[in-house]
Amino acid sequence: QKEVEQDPGPLSVPEGAIVSLNCTYSNSAFQYFMWYRQYSRKGPELLMYTYSSGNKEDGRFTAQVDKSSKYISLFIRDSQPSDSATYLCAMTGSSNTGKLIFGQGTTLQVKP
Amino acid sequence: EADIYQTPRYLVIGTGKKITLECSQTMGHDKMYWYQQDPGMELHLIHYSYGVNSTEKGDLSSESTVSRIRTEHFPLTLESARPSHTSQYLCASSEEGEKLFFGSGTQLSVL
Repeated sequence: QKEVEQDPGPLSVPEGAIVSLNCTYSNSAFQYFMWYRQYSRKGPELLMYTYSSGNKEDGRFTAQVDKSSKYISLFIRDSQPSDSATYLCAMTGSSNTGKLIFGQGTTLQVKP
Repeated sequence: EADIYQTPRYLVIGTGKKITLECSQTMGHDKMYWYQQDPGMELHLIHYSYGVNSTEKGDLSSESTVSRIRTEHFPLTLESARPSHTSQYLCASSEEGEKLFFGSGTQLSVL
């Protein structure tokens, strides 16, 4: 069984929709949670970073972590065609090591 | 401009050849990493380095080797490429361990 599960999609939404992306995990030691965005033929770029449980908001993006349920989410409000990409969740229990466990990635397409 | 560079972007090569994938960063980061990514699959850590002359193997077993002679340079070498090595190789660096900056990757195809 994978440590991190992520629905690969693809997910197709109309422009302006609210998008919800999710990951579940099994390792209760995970404390650092990240969302990376990867455009086609590019490397991932860090979008959101959260430590432990709670919410974090940055513009149209909101990251939520529920450690009791081992579940993390990324919400995108007012989605734009430029948001079309693959979104990867990543997490680790070890501080400052860079040893991240990634989900499979969810491919999102936002249609104009 | 501070960045992380990978060359080549694409490489098609025959079985048995020796290859080196280059990775350089201008951000002065001590920590550097190599991740492997197959289409539609998770990224897996294959090598990492926390500084000059320091290299370790990651969680995914790999026949590749790495070196870290200079802070900014972290090349990956395959002594004898095989079709099973076909994959995308992503180099990353970080100052804080969780916040990785990735290069654009090298797509390797071994025939």
